[in-house]
Amino acid sequence: ETGVTQTPRHLVMGMTNKKSLKCEQHLGHNAMYWYKQSAKKPLELMFVYNFKEQTENNSVPSRFSPECPNSSHLFLHLHTLQPEDSALYLCASSPLGRGTDTQYFGPGTRLTVL
Amino acid sequence: GESVGLHLPTLSVQEGDNSIINCAYSNSASDYFIWYKQESGKGPQFIIDIRSNMDKRQGQRVTVLLNKTVKHLSLQIAATQPGDSAVYFCAENIRGRETSGSRLTFGEGTQLTVNP
Repeated sequence: ETGVTQTPRHLVMGMTNKKSLKCEQHLGHNAMYWYKQSAKKPLELMFVYNFKEQTENNSVPSRFSPECPNSSHLFLHLHTLQPEDSALYLCASSPLGRGTDTQYFGPGTRLTVL
Repeated sequence: GESVGLHLPTLSVQEGDNSIINCAYSNSASDYFIWYKQESGKGPQFIIDIRSNMDKRQGQRVTVLLNKTVKHLSLQIAATQPGDSAVYFCAENIRGRETSGSRLTFGEGTQLTVNP
């Protein structure tokens, strides 16, 4: 266990559904991240939060909406997704959000969009 | 564009042999590198890291070598075990992003298979 938990582990949703992914870290870190991992592709950074403030949005479509209520919790709200959004969504955290921080990952949510 | 990449997508070794997984990067401003291991159904797990002011760093059964001249990173696993079977990623941080959060760029990954 890395100290980063994600729920649900698996999610199947239709294109008109609204769902949310949850991430919680128990490491006392101050930075949290959302990544998308598709088959045969490198991890793609989506969002970065540092001390609850969003510091990076990597040109992510608005159908993905992040929320960070505190340094321990991170959500990814999903609505009107497309089948190509099916992927493994990974959450990570790091101590201070500095360039040389090590990021620790959760197990991911396997999302399937029908 | 600049990217982090791996020379081989798959590597198959016999149990007990040493494994070497390679990674090439093209950004000379990168100052921090990490190796991650990802087993099936799990998230990436930190293995070892190295800063650009070092050439070599050792952990338990793993060694990372950094050659800044040719922009090459390698992960050596000694006495490879079946439990080492996984996808291995290298990741780099580009210097200059100290205030905007850790910004890692990941390679595509190498699938390591250990045969008994």
